[in-house]
Amino acid sequence: QQQVKQSPQSLIVQKGGISIINCAYENTAFDYFPWYQQFPGKGPALLIAIRPDVSEKKEGRFTISFNKSAKQFSLHIMDSQPGDSATYFCAARGDSNYQLIWGAGTKLIIKP
Amino acid sequence: DAGVIQSPRHEVTEMGQEVTLRCKPISGHNSLFWYRQTMMRGLELLIYFNNNVPIDDSGMPEDRFSAKMPNASFSTLKIQPSEPRDSAVYFCASSLIPTMGGYTFGSGTRLTVV
Repeated sequence: QQQVKQSPQSLIVQKGGISIINCAYENTAFDYFPWYQQFPGKGPALLIAIRPDVSEKKEGRFTISFNKSAKQFSLHIMDSQPGDSATYFCAARGDSNYQLIWGAGTKLIIKP
Repeated sequence: DAGVIQSPRHEVTEMGQEVTLRCKPISGHNSLFWYRQTMMRGLELLIYFNNNVPIDDSGMPEDRFSAKMPNASFSTLKIQPSEPRDSAVYFCASSLIPTMGGYTFGSGTRLTVV
């Protein structure tokens, strides 16, 4: 019940296209859902986050869509650029209120 | 702000040797996390400190691993003795309010045990 399932494992998108990464969770007590972006040789960096009382949050080209009833949330990257090529992790905050439960990651490649 | 600073960036050591990884969190952050990242297991939380006190060390794989935080600006993760299966990237992260979930990660230490 503590798992966060992320898909796909890898994704190739043409420049200018929309990249979509999905995550699903089981624990209804989760109350915070961040997305992290990780470039090779760097640590994960917080990209955007959402709370379950909101169905969508947009920051620039990045949007989180949240479906509380389905226990799913997704990251949409509009007008994807080669600089967006990275590994993306979804996460959810667990009952402990400090520990993040991480998805397995999605390696995104944007083809020029 | 220099961010979370980890050293060394790369460490290659022989099996059985002691390894010490270092972390300087962001000034003013009151929570510090050590993570391990591998292809097989992804990101694993090893230990969590709040106000320099270890709160959750349930992720520490075994007694060979130990972590300390002697003050608010410094933490170490020690592996003694090291084994090849410890090879991974070790990240330190800090946060001002842990319940906000906004961790800032360092660039990591890539450890190779041969």
